[in-house]
Amino acid sequence: EAAVTQSPRNKVAVTGGKVTLSCNQTNNHNNMYWYRQDTGHGLRLIHYSYGAGSTEKGDIPDGYKASRPSQENFSLILELATPSQTSVYFCASGDVRHANSDYTFGSGTRLLVI
Amino acid sequence: GEQVEQRPPHLSVREGDSAVITCTYTDPNSYYFFWYKQEPGASLQLLMKVFSSTEINEGQGFTVLLNKKDKRLSLNLTAAHPGDSAAYFCAVSNTGNYKYVFGAGTRLKVIA
Repeated sequence: EAAVTQSPRNKVAVTGGKVTLSCNQTNNHNNMYWYRQDTGHGLRLIHYSYGAGSTEKGDIPDGYKASRPSQENFSLILELATPSQTSVYFCASGDVRHANSDYTFGSGTRLLVI
Repeated sequence: GEQVEQRPPHLSVREGDSAVITCTYTDPNSYYFFWYKQEPGASLQLLMKVFSSTEINEGQGFTVLLNKKDKRLSLNLTAAHPGDSAAYFCAVSNTGNYKYVFGAGTRLKVIA
């Protein structure tokens, strides 16, 4: 079954530390996305990718980097984590060949920066 | 860019009552519309997708209405039950960029 798998599920990081969130998809989708979810804001797009080697800035990219080394994997990198980055992060994949296709979401990563 | 406003942020209804959640959007070029359900601590699951040419879609226990003139999308749960308690998000997509813009969400509580 096609799926999006995120790791870790939970993470506690120290302010100023580096954090890497990983996402793997078996949908063979070209597009992948990283969102963060905060109460009152819904989901906000951080970075996205059109395929291996591609990363694009979303609506709130500051403080985040992304890496898409392969079709299957898309990582979100916090080089210097700050408490304001405490959030729930969702990865998703989508089929660029069909604009009406919905996204498949991962289960989310809860990040606490202390 | 596209702005999506979702109302209400919180909604509490009794079992068997209807619940209506509305999203308004700004980009007249938006063509694809989605409703997602998120149960506590879980990921987002697709409820329904609606295209610009469709005005009414019916699912199991709910109806989605699209009013292109007013740029309004609504989700109507016709007879809510406790299992409907969750957060609901609308998402809007332009044909050109395949990026969703999400509403801020509605936290629905159905009281037995």
